[in-house]
Amino acid sequence: DAGVTQSPTHLIKTRGQQVTLRCSPKSGHDTVSWYQQALGQGPQFIFQYYEEEERQRGNFPDRFSGHQFPNYSSELNVNALLLGDSALYLCASSLGEGEQFFGPGTRLTVL
Amino acid sequence: AQKVTQAQTEISVVEKEDVTLDCVYETRDTTYYLFWYKQPPSGELVFLIRRNSFDEQNEISGRYSWNFQKSTSSFNFTITASQVVDSAVYFCAFFQAAGNKLTFGGGTRVLVKP
Repeated sequence: DAGVTQSPTHLIKTRGQQVTLRCSPKSGHDTVSWYQQALGQGPQFIFQYYEEEERQRGNFPDRFSGHQFPNYSSELNVNALLLGDSALYLCASSLGEGEQFFGPGTRLTVL
Repeated sequence: AQKVTQAQTEISVVEKEDVTLDCVYETRDTTYYLFWYKQPPSGELVFLIRRNSFDEQNEISGRYSWNFQKSTSSFNFTITASQVVDSAVYFCAFFQAAGNKLTFGGGTRVLVKP
């Protein structure tokens, strides 16, 4: 049984570019949450998707958007990248409001 | 809003010593869960333990134990007889049942020296 997978593992972008990160949830899970973890800090909640809709959102600007597909996989999009967007982006999946299982993360570097 | 505070930023011990990590949280909720996660250098968050707000019984699971005191809003975690493989960043997290999101503390880096 595959756990939560994320792609790519690492990514380097320049300021102003756009990026798309992908997440496949654990088998049987229908909810995907995204977190941003800056260096030396704890993860911060970005948003959560359930039934292909954004159910909750943290304190992040509209440059951060997402999508959930019918197969429950999800994408995180960030537009107009800033240096401060450099971080580890973690995806977590759950069955509804159950326990969240985390993926290995995507490390984004913005130059 | 919920808040989780881990006052210790880094702890260094010698192998076989015990390590206790402190966690204090703030909430007005009555129903919630508390977690401890381990994050090794690879970056993936590894689930360690979970307690719900109605269960203050402290337990031991292998080399891990925890002390949940609702009266002081604390959820401390102890690693007994530490090993080099325990070296990682440890996060305490609060889960609001109604909000369905995790709020993390800033993390405590544990370094276990041989």
